[in-house]
Amino acid sequence: KAGVTQTPRYLIKTRGQQVTLSCSPISGHRSVSWYQQTPGQGLQFLFEYFSETQRNKGNFPGRFSGRQFSNSRSEMNVSTLELGDSALYLCASSGGRTYQETQYFGPGTRLLVL
Amino acid sequence: DQQVKQNSPSLSVQEGRISILNCDYTNSMFDYFLWYKKYPAEGPTFLISISSIKDKNEDGRFTVFLNKSAKHLSLHIVPSQPGDSAVYFCAALSGGYQKVTFGTGTKLQVIP
Repeated sequence: KAGVTQTPRYLIKTRGQQVTLSCSPISGHRSVSWYQQTPGQGLQFLFEYFSETQRNKGNFPGRFSGRQFSNSRSEMNVSTLELGDSALYLCASSGGRTYQETQYFGPGTRLLVL
Repeated sequence: DQQVKQNSPSLSVQEGRISILNCDYTNSMFDYFLWYKKYPAEGPTFLISISSIKDKNEDGRFTVFLNKSAKHLSLHIVPSQPGDSAVYFCAALSGGYQKVTFGTGTKLQVIP
């Protein structure tokens, strides 16, 4: 079974621009979660989608948004980029039926904002 | 407000010895805990979990202990191997959907 894939793997943007990141979950998984990893902050939960609906949301500003398509693929968008948005963005997928299901992570997209 | 804390950013252990990684949490609503391991340039991989109804869970060389009264969990790796060198994250969930709260991670180095 193919794992979680994320594209692109690396991205360089400038302040004020917007960016879209993509995540393809493991086949059959309906839940996709997004996390931001920065040094010293660990992984911080952004949001979770299940069957095209946002089920949970972390404490990030509205510049961070996402969506999920009918094939469970998900995209995350960050508008008006700030220097502090430089981070590793990880997505994880699971079956999503119970909260204790194991999440499987992709390799991440490293975003650098200049 | 960091609800899950890993106070040791790094740990070095000799090969063959025990590695003990610690994690503290503040939210008493957390009822399921996990440990993930992360190598550079890879996403975290699930290692072991424990429900709040248990105080110990074992899987091969890995054992997780949970002390609910102290709001503390620990991961024991015995014996430690050089391939265990990675960043370890503890994580917690409360009843409901998958909104996972992660700690800041501890970088383990196992010295051959």
